[in-house]
Formats: sequence, structure tokens, C-alpha cells
Amino acid sequence: NAGVTQTPKFRVLKTGQSMTLLCAQDMNHEYMYWYRQDPGMGLRLIHYSVGEGTTAKGEVPDGYNVSRLKKQNFLLGLESAAPSQTSVYFCASSYALSPHYEQYFGPGTRLTVT
Amino acid sequence: GQQVMQIPQYQHVQEGEDFTTYCNSSTTLSNIQWYKQRPGGHPVFLIQLVKSGEVKKQKRLTFQFGEAKKNSSLHITATQTTDVGTYFCAGDSNYQLIWGAGTKLIIKP
Repeated sequence: NAGVTQTPKFRVLKTGQSMTLLCAQDMNHEYMYWYRQDPGMGLRLIHYSVGEGTTAKGEVPDGYNVSRLKKQNFLLGLESAAPSQTSVYFCASSYALSPHYEQYFGPGTRLTVT
Repeated sequence: GQQVMQIPQYQHVQEGEDFTTYCNSSTTLSNIQWYKQRPGGHPVFLIQLVKSGEVKKQKRLTFQFGEAKKNSSLHITATQTTDVGTYFCAGDSNYQLIWGAGTKLIIKP
């Protein structure tokens, strides 16, 4: 099993450009999450999904959109990138509702917005 | 909103010395999870504590959950180079994990 995979691993965008980050999991998990991690800070939840076709806002949702059309995939979109969105983005999944179940993380996407 | 404060931000130790990181929540937690992130890597789950006053051990790592379920600690005995990384605690808030900022364990050369 690959676990949780993320594409791309690295990306450089110019301000105003758009992009989509793809997360895929092969563990049949119901719950999926998108986080951002900035230096000296913990993980901050952007959006999450409790099942196919459902999404919800996390702590820092502004400037991002998500979709969960298939159970195994969770997409994170940036419609108009800003330098403040320079960060490392992690996708995670869990069998059931966290915080009662551990989260499995992907390797991360390092995004730079110039 | 709920906050989980984690201290210290960094800890430099000689190999063989002990390491401790502390988490404090502004509200009572139903449980707390601990994760480790190696340099350049992603967070990996270590353990979950649920009960008041709970203590769990994993080899040289000891995890504690406070009696009031508002604080937790991770203690590593006799650190090794393989322990290098950042240790995060994460507590629940309305079914979302709220993460501490992490404590980076650095082994002095």
C-alpha cells in the first residue's frame, strides 16, 4: 500500500496564478484533511472532508477551495495565489473522525509563491 | 478559540541526555495525540492518551496526560541521534485536532 500520496512535491507559482494539489489515499479512509505548515508553527487545518462529496472549513480556509469527488481523492485548489500562501502543504487521512483516530500524512507539497 | 501551547520551541541536548516537551491547553481535552516529524519529513503518529493521569511508555519515550486533561508531556530518556526531529502534540477541539507549534530536538555535535 502506498498510504497517502501527494502531487506535486514542489511548485513555484507567480502571484495570481492558480493550481490544484492532489491527495490520494489507498486505505479506504473516510476522513481526509488539508493542512499547511509554516516555520515555527504547528499544522493548521485548511479544510477537511468527512466523506465523499462533503467538505468543511478548518481553521484557515480563506483563499483555498477543496473537492472530494471520490473517496480516495481530496483536491486543494488555490484560485489566485498570494505570497502569504507560501508554505508546506500536508494532506492526511484517518479511518474515522479524528481526534479519536490517528492521522496518516502524505509527504507534503512545498509551494512557493513569488 | 482553543489553543494548545507547546514549550520549549527548541531543545539542544548532548546525545545521552534527556529531553522533555510540554503541552498546555486552554480548555479540557478529550484526548491528546503526539506526532514526530523528522527533518524534511511528514508527521508520524506516536501515541494517543485518553484517560486523566494516563502514562504510557514506548521504549525510551514516556507520555503523560495531566489529571485535569489540560496538559501533557513527552519525555525521552538518553536521547539518540535517531530521536532528532520535531515533536508535536495535538488536542481535540470540536472534532478537529489543534496542534501545538512543536518542539525541535537538536543533538549537539
